[in-house]
Amino acid sequence: GESVGLHLPTLSVQEGDNSIINCAYSNSASDYFIWYKQESGKGPQFIIDIRSNMDKRQGQRVTVLLNKTVKHLSLQIAATQPGDSAVYFCAENTQYGNKLVFGAGTILRVKS
Amino acid sequence: EPEVTQTPSHQVTQMGQEVILRCVPISNHLYFYWYRQILGQKVEFLVSFYNNEISEKSEIFDDQFSVERPDGSNFTLKIRSTKLEDSAMYFCASSETRGVKAFFGQGTRLTVV
Repeated sequence: GESVGLHLPTLSVQEGDNSIINCAYSNSASDYFIWYKQESGKGPQFIIDIRSNMDKRQGQRVTVLLNKTVKHLSLQIAATQPGDSAVYFCAENTQYGNKLVFGAGTILRVKS
Repeated sequence: EPEVTQTPSHQVTQMGQEVILRCVPISNHLYFYWYRQILGQKVEFLVSFYNNEISEKSEIFDDQFSVERPDGSNFTLKIRSTKLEDSAMYFCASSETRGVKAFFGQGTRLTVV
């Protein structure tokens, strides 16, 4: 039978603008968070990660912000490029866990 | 750059048949995982494996599923009797450290007909 996918939130940005992708988590025991980028037909690609003892971490053109008080994570992409178009997933893990629990994902569309 | 490789890229099988999905994790990694993604949905955890045994598994990973590390390089997922609802992309991942910074392969698209 036909499978019905989730209707993912979509963020459309103009090339060169900054993008902010948000993620809420519910497990207060989670202490490790990671962002993945997934292009069509490919596996998730690691972008950046952060532990709960930090509230900000920067990479090349990307920044992850963690607000443990409201259980919120965000990924900021500076100067967004067409090649950034993809689905972005946040994932979390607990201190002694050995699995990543993925969020639903956000579609990022970059307009040229 | 080291990467996780998976074979085959696409597998079509008849309902009730057994399938084995193969993965070669990154060579210095010690933790191995299988995830699956039904079309258009989020990535779901199936099982994690360390030191030749399962360390965690999800409700999806029932008696029809098994994993094995038959030699020093391969990591396999076997589905004994496939069902239509097993159709999905299956991703293998590996990490150096427990539960963090997992690197994913390109996936095997399993189609059960």
